[in-house]
Amino acid sequence: DAGITQSPRHKVTETGTPVTLRCHQTENHRYMYWYRQDPGHGLRLIHYSYGVKDTDKGEVSDGYSVSRSKTEDFLLTLESATSSQTSVYFCAISDLTGLNTEAFFGQGTRLTVV
Amino acid sequence: AQSVTQLGSHVSVSEGALVLLRCNYSSSVPPYLFWYVQYPNQGLQLLLKYTTGATLVKGINGFEAEFKKSETSFHLTKPSAHMSDAAEYFCAVSDNGNNRLAFGKGNQVVVIP
Repeated sequence: DAGITQSPRHKVTETGTPVTLRCHQTENHRYMYWYRQDPGHGLRLIHYSYGVKDTDKGEVSDGYSVSRSKTEDFLLTLESATSSQTSVYFCAISDLTGLNTEAFFGQGTRLTVV
Repeated sequence: AQSVTQLGSHVSVSEGALVLLRCNYSSSVPPYLFWYVQYPNQGLQLLLKYTTGATLVKGINGFEAEFKKSETSFHLTKPSAHMSDAAEYFCAVSDNGNNRLAFGKGNQVVVIP
């Protein structure tokens, strides 16, 4: 398995509170991604990073921010959590070198906003 | 922007029968195509991928998929379903390897003994 660790694995938080999810990799891959998975929607890209301090928005970025100060860590922050952000969040990494075109996924973080 | 269509959120198949999951994509440039599998409470695992070259791609666990450019399709098949194939399957596309993967909505496969 690719060395990707997401923390926490489960979290329950109250509406309006800030929440930060962490993705840590040991593969030294350049690209990192945050997706959310919801029934009937598949996985949707929130934000991604193509290097340290280089990030960009995905298709569902509203209400989320990210930071990448080191190659190995990619943080996803919900500044003020809402019930619509209840979801399973997946971090992914990729390197795009040669034939290595696929993304590798972490185990996911289940976030419940009450 | 690229997109993926997977029809039929739930697919039931008898043990030993053919598994066929359909995937159609749209992309403005030659695509990279992927099938991922997700077992309960786990992350996504790559089944197979198409980048260039041979259009029939073989993956893990006996699955294969064929890239058909004229039909913009990348259907996943397995000749004989096994109980362990019960999982959710996602088709994904990226434009020439930028790896901003766009996913379909997934197919939940149920295998009937």
